[in-house]
Amino acid sequence: LAKTTQPISMDSYEGQEVNITCSHNNIATNDYITWYQQFPSQGPRFIIQGYKTKVTNEVASLFIPADRKSSTLSLPRVSLSDTAVYYCLVGDYINFGNEKLTFGTGTRLTIIP
Amino acid sequence: GAVVSQHPSRVICKSGTSVKIECRSLDFQATTMFWYRQFPKQSLMLMATSNEGSKATYEQGVEKDKFLINHASLTLSTLTVTSAHPEDSSFYICSARTRSSYEQYFGPGTRLTVT
Repeated sequence: LAKTTQPISMDSYEGQEVNITCSHNNIATNDYITWYQQFPSQGPRFIIQGYKTKVTNEVASLFIPADRKSSTLSLPRVSLSDTAVYYCLVGDYINFGNEKLTFGTGTRLTIIP
Repeated sequence: GAVVSQHPSRVICKSGTSVKIECRSLDFQATTMFWYRQFPKQSLMLMATSNEGSKATYEQGVEKDKFLINHASLTLSTLTVTSAHPEDSSFYICSARTRSSYEQYFGPGTRLTVT
């Protein structure tokens, strides 16, 4: 499984756009990039998943450069409720039998009023 | 959306006793369920993978005789911590997925405290 590296923590003010970058230099051809959010004492929640270029949904965007060795999760106009730990996972999770998720250290995002 | 529940949400037990945690998929059939453990300020660590009707596959370092997993139906998996000790105190989280979806749906977690 590809190892991921992300900042341990980040602070941002309310209303700002927050970008969290994840490095995954040894990503494999079949690997997808998935981001999860976790609030204290809760299970993780799926945010977004992508393979290349850009993916956008109602809560975030995911930017993946052509070499796929990194990815950036973008949260537009954050609010206090976005304070959480964000995990970047890389793996061939789509295929049945390869779905074991390996969580790294994650990025603890703190939104400041 | 797909919902996974866990019961109980919190449990306190005495050292040496056993405790059972249930994980249910409420509105879908889970062909595969996963059990994770998370210590304070740390990441989730996968303990085991269970497929309905078959034995669980444990990750290296996880004692299968201590953490008994049963996936008796497509909507229920249970984790039993046998002869619990204070070092087993942790946050236990399950997740579930179907064969047709790549997404894993996580339960809300169970906080276990062993005194």
